[in-house]
Amino acid sequence: DARVTQTPRHKVTEMGQEVTMRCQPILGHNTVFWYRQTMMQGLELLAYFRNRAPLDDSGMPKDRFSAEMPDATLATLKIQPSEPRDSAVYFCASGLITLGGAYGYTFGSGTRLTVV
Amino acid sequence: DQQVKQNSPSLSVQEGRISILNCDYTNSMFDYFLWYKKYPAEGPTFLISISSIKDKNEDGRFTVFLNKSAKHLSLHIVPSQPGDSAVYFCAASAYAGGTSYGKLTFGQGTILTVHP
Repeated sequence: DARVTQTPRHKVTEMGQEVTMRCQPILGHNTVFWYRQTMMQGLELLAYFRNRAPLDDSGMPKDRFSAEMPDATLATLKIQPSEPRDSAVYFCASGLITLGGAYGYTFGSGTRLTVV
Repeated sequence: DQQVKQNSPSLSVQEGRISILNCDYTNSMFDYFLWYKKYPAEGPTFLISISSIKDKNEDGRFTVFLNKSAKHLSLHIVPSQPGDSAVYFCAASAYAGGTSYGKLTFGQGTILTVHP
């Protein structure tokens, strides 16, 4: 089965440090999402790419978060500087979306980030 | 503004009985709805979806019902099995013309526990 690969699976870092999370979407998928899961908010959308172009990053704190897709096989989410409130599980998901087509994204296993 | 709401944080059901998970939405532009299941330490996995042109979709033990006038959808699991114990998320998408197509908004999730 094709899968979305996220690295690292776990990350513990000190407040103020830079954190980079990586995602390898499924080959051929044209849409990539970054979500964050917290106890209070459930799954929050952070950023969204279609054909590598950023479409919506309104859910992301712009001053510290950035998301990019340098190529079709890699999406990155960076936090600089990190803060304890950023502690959460970050998920990447990819899918092949066409107008009028049924879809269900494939999620990676997530990166559990702890900022101390 | 929570556009997709799952008002029951948890549900407990006996094995063999029916599980009914509910979801309400506020955005009348939503036209595609999905359910995801999530086990601990894993990413959400796609379960079943329904388009707004239908009011029911069935896949094995899983059936999703959509009531557009009430802006309500539900997931029925019959019969429930202990392996169904997981967090269930509903999600919705709106065709806004172009770039936002396929963007998913998630509810907070419902923890389902099926007792043997």
